[in-house]
Amino acid sequence: AQSVTQLGSHVSVSEGALVLLRCNYSSSVPPYLFWYVQYPNQGLQLLLKYTSAATLVKGINGFEAEFKKSETSFHLTKPSAHMSDAAEYFCAVSDGYSTLTFGKGTMLLVSP
Amino acid sequence: KAGVTQTPRYLIKTRGQQVTLSCSPISGHRSVSWYQQTPGQGLQFLFEYFSETQRNKGNFPGRFSGRQFSNSRSEMNVSTLELGDSALYLCASTLGPTQNTEAFFGQGTRLTVV
Repeated sequence: AQSVTQLGSHVSVSEGALVLLRCNYSSSVPPYLFWYVQYPNQGLQLLLKYTSAATLVKGINGFEAEFKKSETSFHLTKPSAHMSDAAEYFCAVSDGYSTLTFGKGTMLLVSP
Repeated sequence: KAGVTQTPRYLIKTRGQQVTLSCSPISGHRSVSWYQQTPGQGLQFLFEYFSETQRNKGNFPGRFSGRQFSNSRSEMNVSTLELGDSALYLCASTLGPTQNTEAFFGQGTRLTVV
């Protein structure tokens, strides 16, 4: 069975500061990993995905994530936060099929 | 290219009633998955359909059911609604079940059970 743990239900940063959202996964097979963002009253939008091609994955809006097998982690980072980054972020894992297992989500708060 | 369309966006139902939600996937996508999102449980997988067949099912009671039509559109039905069924129901479409491509999500249907 697969699972995802996101550390911190809320993360607060100042505008311009580094964003770090943590995700650890558990999977019995080589995982496919995803980060999604959700704005209020909206669906999920894919930020980036890891499919074993490269351990450092770049996504949209300046986000990137690094796959570390030894740590079973896939943390999301952005060098400089923007007010528009305030949203809820979800890490997800799949076994290569379409079913996703999501973490509980991390709400990112950005203050001016 | 049109995105994933879910209708209706909002629903208010009474306990004991039943409800049907609709999802039209992106053109060319043949796999549709449904997820329930609640503040307490987060995002939970309900079921997945491909070529009108349910391929996978999450851990939900039999009151939750779904189907897929030949044009890949999907519906999910919840019978004998309970207060705890209040949630955002999200539909996602992908090209197919064995291709690890991006899942595109609709905006969801917000169901409130009173």
